[in-house]
Amino acid sequence: EPEVTQTPSHQVTQMGQEVILRCVPISNHLYFYWYRQILGQKVEFLVSFYNNEISEKSEIFDDQFSVERPDGSNFTLKIRSTKLEDSAMYFCASSEYGPRIDAYEQYFGPGTRLTVT
Amino acid sequence: QKEVEQDPGPLSVPEGAIVSLNCTYSNSAFQYFMWYRQYSRKGPELLMYTYSSGNKEDGRFTAQVDKSSKYISLFIRDSQPSDSATYLCAMGDNFNKFYFGSGTKLNVKP
Repeated sequence: EPEVTQTPSHQVTQMGQEVILRCVPISNHLYFYWYRQILGQKVEFLVSFYNNEISEKSEIFDDQFSVERPDGSNFTLKIRSTKLEDSAMYFCASSEYGPRIDAYEQYFGPGTRLTVT
Repeated sequence: QKEVEQDPGPLSVPEGAIVSLNCTYSNSAFQYFMWYRQYSRKGPELLMYTYSSGNKEDGRFTAQVDKSSKYISLFIRDSQPSDSATYLCAMGDNFNKFYFGSGTKLNVKP
């Protein structure tokens, strides 16, 4: 069964460093998302991406964050200068998009645990 | 007012019980509703998806949406210890953004 994959599973970085989190969405999906979940808290929307541009972003997604689809399969989240409060699980998700009702179903990857020290 | 409210639990039930999980929401434009199951430190796993009002059944799981009350439910019949997890509701009105509840932690005791 197709699935969303994410690498790395765990990333440790020092404050102020840049990190890139990688995702491979399900191959026929067209809408991509990044969410984060701070330990013990709710899943929070960061950004959605369609047709090579950002569709919507939350107030969390400030100038330190960027997303890119560098080729036909990868979808990346870059944090330019990490802060301690960026420590969280980051989840990539994708949905098919289209006229069918079930095209809205969002499938999540296993997540990348980011630890900023 | 929060977009989505969900009782965090924990909810503890004996094996075989019927479990009812609920979320309320404030935005009447929401029409796409999903339930996820999340095990500790894992990604959310899509369980049920419902569009607009009504019921949807899949095996032991039933999802209900009452848009007039802005209330959604997930019922689990014949609950099993393997159902022990955190259950998240999520909803939105378009592809661009989905809102999650805080999750209800369920423990099914053997």
